[in-house]
Amino acid sequence: QQPVQSPQAVILREGEDAVINCSSSKALYSVHWYRQKHGEAPVFLMILLKGGEQKGHEKISASFNEKKQQSSLYLTASQLSYSGTYFCGTENGAGSYQLTFGKGTKLSVIP
Amino acid sequence: EADIYQTPRYLVIGTGKKITLECSQTMGHDKMYWYQQDPGMELHLIHYSYGVNSTEKGDLSSESTVSRIRTEHFPLTLESARPSHTSQYLCASSDTLGEGYYGYTFGSGTRLTVV
Repeated sequence: QQPVQSPQAVILREGEDAVINCSSSKALYSVHWYRQKHGEAPVFLMILLKGGEQKGHEKISASFNEKKQQSSLYLTASQLSYSGTYFCGTENGAGSYQLTFGKGTKLSVIP
Repeated sequence: EADIYQTPRYLVIGTGKKITLECSQTMGHDKMYWYQQDPGMELHLIHYSYGVNSTEKGDLSSESTVSRIRTEHFPLTLESARPSHTSQYLCASSDTLGEGYYGYTFGSGTRLTVV
């Protein structure tokens, strides 16, 4: 079951904040977040595991509500480099390791 | 510096031809994946592997096949290319050993056009 992302697109001015949401109709074991710039491969940002463990590479925060099967990605004080399409990928069972991706949220940061 | 390599980067080929898209990773990851992505759209899982001699089909029906004879190599083959196969194909790998559970590392992709 494909997760649902919202919003589909958002335009920010530098320094503004944004929240991107990802929800699933199935129980989740983990949620991954990736950013893809035009013409490039997706880049891993963050993983949130059932039980609250969180691992990421960049200064971007996220939350994972297991009861609601939802995750949110928080982008604060946005920079031009944050522009791109953000995908959430969900893993439904522990040890499945397969991700089902949402349709993406296109984020544009303007000066 | 990329740790997962895909070749070719771009490929234009005629209908009916057999093609193999190459994917290699130098990280020693046991899990590898192939995703298909149309421009601006979501990624669809077409094949995955949990290790040598392990391959499974993903959610998206695909006429392609894969093999995993070596840990580092996960090629995808189309026996007879059709225009409907025109898309971008992304290879990825992941691991749960070492310092814990990390996300996917994606290759740069192969953009395939079948004419």
